[in-house]
Amino acid sequence: GQNIDQPTEMTATEGAIVQINCTYQTSGFNGLFWYQQHAGEAPTFLSYNVLDGLEEKGRFSSFLSRSKGYSYLLLKELQMKDSASYLCAVIAGGSYIPTFGRGTSLIVHP
Amino acid sequence: ETGVTQTPRHLVMGMTNKKSLKCEQHLGHNAMYWYKQSAKKPLELMFVYNFKEQTENNSVPSRFSPECPNSSHLFLHLHTLQPEDSALYLCASSQGPGQGQGANEKLFFGSGTQLSVL
Repeated sequence: GQNIDQPTEMTATEGAIVQINCTYQTSGFNGLFWYQQHAGEAPTFLSYNVLDGLEEKGRFSSFLSRSKGYSYLLLKELQMKDSASYLCAVIAGGSYIPTFGRGTSLIVHP
Repeated sequence: ETGVTQTPRHLVMGMTNKKSLKCEQHLGHNAMYWYKQSAKKPLELMFVYNFKEQTENNSVPSRFSPECPNSSHLFLHLHTLQPEDSALYLCASSQGPGQGQGANEKLFFGSGTQLSVL
């Protein structure tokens, strides 16, 4: 099976930077996704990493270290609208279906 | 708008009722999924259909019955549910397996049906 771990909740201040970590234990790693889910809404795709390193996309960046089983999502210049749940999901073991972590609820306050 | 539409948004049903959840995707995808999302728990995969064929049944109780008449539509038929089945039920679609690199496996979710079983 797969074990995916991420913090339950984080808080940060508007305009600041926050890093949301995700660690995983899998066999046959094939990629890692980050999704954002606002309350009462559908999860939406943020990023995909399959190779080691940093992928930057505007205010959001995602990092992967396959040897450490570790990823993080970095959010810069935080805005109130960034308050949401952030879901880490891993594809592994020859399956094309992602397995999700519990999600990290981020609260951005003024 | 993700291109995946779910109805109804909210549903309250008794344990003896029969109801159905509907999902439709307008993205030309080949794979469709049902996920269950409960508070404080990870998204839980229920069923996967690929080219209308069921490829995954994640040990889901028979009171949940999926139906996929074509690649664009997916249903979840509900009967004799239990209160612990109350949750957000999410439908998703993707291009499907073997359609290129892993990035193509990203999921497009509907807004979900918030189900309450009394």
